[in-house]
Amino acid sequence: AQTVTQSQPEMSVQEAETVTLSCTYDTSESDYYLFWYKQPPSRQMILVIRQEAYKQQNATENRFSVNFQKAAKSFSLKISDSQLGDAAMYFCARETSGSRLTFGEGTQLTVNP
Amino acid sequence: DAGVTQSPTHLIKTRGQHVTLRCSPISGHKSVSWYQQVLGQGPQFIFQYYEKEERGRGNFPDRFSARQFPNYSSELNVNALLLGDSALYLCASSGITGVTEAFFGQGTRLTVV
Repeated sequence: AQTVTQSQPEMSVQEAETVTLSCTYDTSESDYYLFWYKQPPSRQMILVIRQEAYKQQNATENRFSVNFQKAAKSFSLKISDSQLGDAAMYFCARETSGSRLTFGEGTQLTVNP
Repeated sequence: DAGVTQSPTHLIKTRGQHVTLRCSPISGHKSVSWYQQVLGQGPQFIFQYYEKEERGRGNFPDRFSARQFPNYSSELNVNALLLGDSALYLCASSGITGVTEAFFGQGTRLTVV
């Protein structure tokens, strides 16, 4: 089975500090997409950032960036200048078979004031 | 523009009953996917429909079925409900068959008692 693993069930960070969430995945495909989604208590999945595997440059969206290591099948999310509104469950996901997302188990991020 | 809308937001059913969940995609989107998210876990893929045809099915029993209508809205049906079917059911829409632009609704919280 093609899996996505998030080894940190919970993480915490001080407001304005930087935090990194880890994700590893399994795949036999050469080109695919990877994603980080945020799920606040409102339950809606919100796309944070997306990376296409054939692109070597790491994706960046404002305070969010990734460290994509294709050979190691690693895809970590860095949140800089953490804000209280960043507190949520974060899910790593990869595209599977071109039509579906396979999600990890999630990391609960707490931001302390 | 309205995002992905799901109805109802909450639902309580008794074991053995049938349930229908509804999803309206973003205007112009032709692909709808369904995910089940059990409490404390990442979402699991159930179905994807594109242009009214099933394009993918996850590892769920035949009690789960879905369809897509000419206006691209979708229904997820679950028969003979079990306690284990209690979960958040998420709908995602995208403009293409893949998942590179998937947008999620706020989900339907189903409780089976």
